[in-house]
Amino acid sequence: KQEVTQIPAALSVPEGENLVLNCSFTDSAIYNLQWFRQDPGKGLTSLLLIQSSQREQTSGRLNASLDKSSGRSTLYIAASQPGDSATYLCAVIPHKLSFGAGTTVTVRA
Amino acid sequence: NAGVTQTPKFQVLKTGQSMTLQCAQDMNHEYMSWYRQDPGMGLRLIHYSVGAGITDQGEVPNGYNVSRSTTEDFPLRLLSAAPSQTSVYFCASSYGRGTGELFFGEGSRLTVL
Repeated sequence: KQEVTQIPAALSVPEGENLVLNCSFTDSAIYNLQWFRQDPGKGLTSLLLIQSSQREQTSGRLNASLDKSSGRSTLYIAASQPGDSATYLCAVIPHKLSFGAGTTVTVRA
Repeated sequence: NAGVTQTPKFQVLKTGQSMTLQCAQDMNHEYMSWYRQDPGMGLRLIHYSVGAGITDQGEVPNGYNVSRSTTEDFPLRLLSAAPSQTSVYFCASSYGRGTGELFFGEGSRLTVL
């Protein structure tokens, strides 16, 4: 069974600092890896999808890398802002996809 | 451009009552799934479907029933609600047979008294 771990569980940083969020998985036979953002009481918003053939994916201040051989993905958020405060989850695909428990980020103004 | 639509958004039930959470998608996705999210537990897969007429169990299927008669709809039925089913439920869909980008509904918050 695929196990997905996100460390740390919580993170608090001052505004402007870069964020580094980690996701590790035990089975490298994946199709894709997807990063989500979840605000309190809300649904999941897709941030980035990295296909298994890709090493990284970028969208604005967000950059996600994927290393299948080591079972790791990292989400980088540059120049953090208070609006980045949320819980970030990674999901390993295929179906029966496995979610990490998430990293709750607080960006202090 | 509705995406994945879940209804109702909030529901309160008494123990033993039954209800159906509705999920509909307008993206012609083959794959649809239901998750529950509990504090400290992350998202756990309840049931999933890789196409009309095909369903299968996920990690926590007990107490829930699903069917997939059309590509668009994937309702989740609680046959006899229990307090342990108090949770936030999310429906999701993707293209392909579950290997594509996943799109989520906004969630249904269920309380069982």
